[in-house]
Amino acid sequence: DAGVIQSPRHEVTEMGQEVTLRCKPISGHNSLFWYRQTMMRGLELLIYFNNNVPIDDSGMPEDRFSAKMPNASFSTLKIQPSEPRDSAVYFCASIRGTKGNTIYFGEGSWLTVV
Amino acid sequence: AQSVTQPDIHITVSEGASLELRCNYSYGATPYLFWYVQSPGQGLQLLLKYFSGDTLVQGIKGFEAEFKRSQSSFNLRKPSVHWSDAAEYFCAATVSGGYNKLIFGAGTRLAVHP
Repeated sequence: DAGVIQSPRHEVTEMGQEVTLRCKPISGHNSLFWYRQTMMRGLELLIYFNNNVPIDDSGMPEDRFSAKMPNASFSTLKIQPSEPRDSAVYFCASIRGTKGNTIYFGEGSWLTVV
Repeated sequence: AQSVTQPDIHITVSEGASLELRCNYSYGATPYLFWYVQSPGQGLQLLLKYFSGDTLVQGIKGFEAEFKRSQSSFNLRKPSVHWSDAAEYFCAATVSGGYNKLIFGAGTRLAVHP
């Protein structure tokens, strides 16, 4: 089975530009998570969806960040406008069901905002 | 508050030596516990997980972990480390029921000397 697929793998953008990160979860998984990893803060949960519905977005840092899941096989994380402090690795993860199952991670999108 | 603590930020071992990475959790009930490994520039790969039952769990790449309820610990071990084991290791936990949300420890970076 294909794993969680993220794109782009690497992006360098200028401050103020819009950034869109994409994620395709594993087929049949009904929960999807966006994490951010930085040296200072480690791995932080930004938002998670269940059955395409956002359940908890309390980790989204500010209004510049938004996430959508229009269908079971696709999600986006958008930053507009981007700032240098948004530079991080953004991971998408998915899981089938909830209790007792394993979350699988994508390989991450490495974002640099200059 | 729920938390996962990895007391060691950096660990250096010699190739062939044994390894133990520490992880402690703070939860009201026994959580589901995981160890992930992240190689440089890569995503997170699941090494092993504990849900219930036998407190000694075997994982991939020769790793094992032991759940100790009395110590609220889930330490990762390997009897003989290989140079390719150099990576960052994350302990994570999630509570049962409703919706899974992984809480990660800060990570332990492992260096392996030849």
